[in-house]
Formats: sequence, structure tokens, C-alpha cells
Amino acid sequence: DTAVSQTPKYLVTQMGNDKSIKCEQNLGHDTMYWYKQDSKKFLKIMFSYNNKELIINETVPNRFSPKSPDKAHLNLHINSLELGDSAVYFCASSQVKRGLYNEQFFGPGTRLTVL
Amino acid sequence: GIQVEQSPPDLILQEGANSTLRCNFSDSVNNLQWFHQNPWGQLINLFYIPSGTKQNGRLSATTVATERYSLLYISSSQTTDSGVYFCVMGAYGSGNTGKLIFGQGTTLQVKP
Repeated sequence: DTAVSQTPKYLVTQMGNDKSIKCEQNLGHDTMYWYKQDSKKFLKIMFSYNNKELIINETVPNRFSPKSPDKAHLNLHINSLELGDSAVYFCASSQVKRGLYNEQFFGPGTRLTVL
Repeated sequence: GIQVEQSPPDLILQEGANSTLRCNFSDSVNNLQWFHQNPWGQLINLFYIPSGTKQNGRLSATTVATERYSLLYISSSQTTDSGVYFCVMGAYGSGNTGKLIFGQGTTLQVKP
């Protein structure tokens, strides 16, 4: 059973398009995350949702909008894609108890290429 | 801001050698994890270790939270250990916010 799954695994699209990446976790966790890994392998958090509430919102262009329909899903919608959005996007989940971030589990990543 | 620094940035080992990777962090942590990103890009959990010492096979980790560092030990390295090793620290802030910050990684190459 896949704990954290993402779809699609690869996404190739043209500049200016709108696209979504989906993430689902079956671990029963209450917190989910989106990270971006750039070409230099640097991983940076973008968003975090706890029980469908946004708790981390780093400096990310407002073209990126996370959507959490329930605790098990956190989707990432990107409007007006730009070349610089090309990266690998990772979803993760964990349980947060009394403000402590417990062990995170990562999905396999989505490689986005904007042409 | 909070900083997480890993050393060394790159490491080349001969198969069978031992190594120590270090992660320094600039603030109090609620959470510290070590990950291995393999050559296929998968992020694999190694240790969740906000404090103390843990061992898992040839790998072990120690975090000394009061001195703000964590160490990852790899013994008898194998070619499958190649990849990038990341530490990530979490710090819970006020107002239901928090920080999760990755180090820049240590790229390990194990040669046969």
C-alpha cells in the first residue's frame, strides 16, 4: 500500500497553462505539506495544512494555490505556469501533536517541466 | 532566520568505509529528521530524532539538541548508500504556525 501518493508523476506543459497536482495519504495523518525541489536539489517548504487549515504559507507566488478537501488530500493548483516553475514537487504528511512536527513521510514527487 | 547547515557538501567513499555527516541548526528544534534521496529521486526516511541516539542496521544518528547539532553515521558503506542525505528541522512558532527547513544536503558517492 502506498502511504503518500502523488499524481501525475511527470507533467510537461506549456507556459501560461494551468495545472494541478494531486496528493493523497492513507496514514491517517492530520497534516500535509507541499515542497519544491529546484534544480540544485534544494528542498523548500511551500505550504502546510493541518486539519484542512493552512498553517505554513511561505513566500510563494499567488499563482500557487493549495486546496485541501479533507485531511487525506492536499492538491496543488498552479495558474499561468512559468519556466521557473519547472521543478520536482513533493507532497508529505505527518501527525502534529501539541505543536510538535512528528515524522514526515514523502510522496514519490511530481516532475514538472514547463516549456 | 532559522538556518540548517550540513557538512560536508560532497563526500566520496570507497565501499566499506565509514563516514559521519553533520547537521548544525541555529534554533531550538521540535523535530529533526534525516532523509536519503536516492539516485531515482525518492526521499527515504532514515531517522526521526529530535534528541538522543538511534540505530538502524549500518546507520545510526545522534542529536544533541542543547548543542544544536545532529550526526548521521554510515558504517561499512555500500554503493546503494549513494545519493543525497538531507536533515530537516522543524520548529513550531506562535499563532499555529511553524517552520520546516531542509539543509542543503550532503551528496555521497560510494565507489565499488
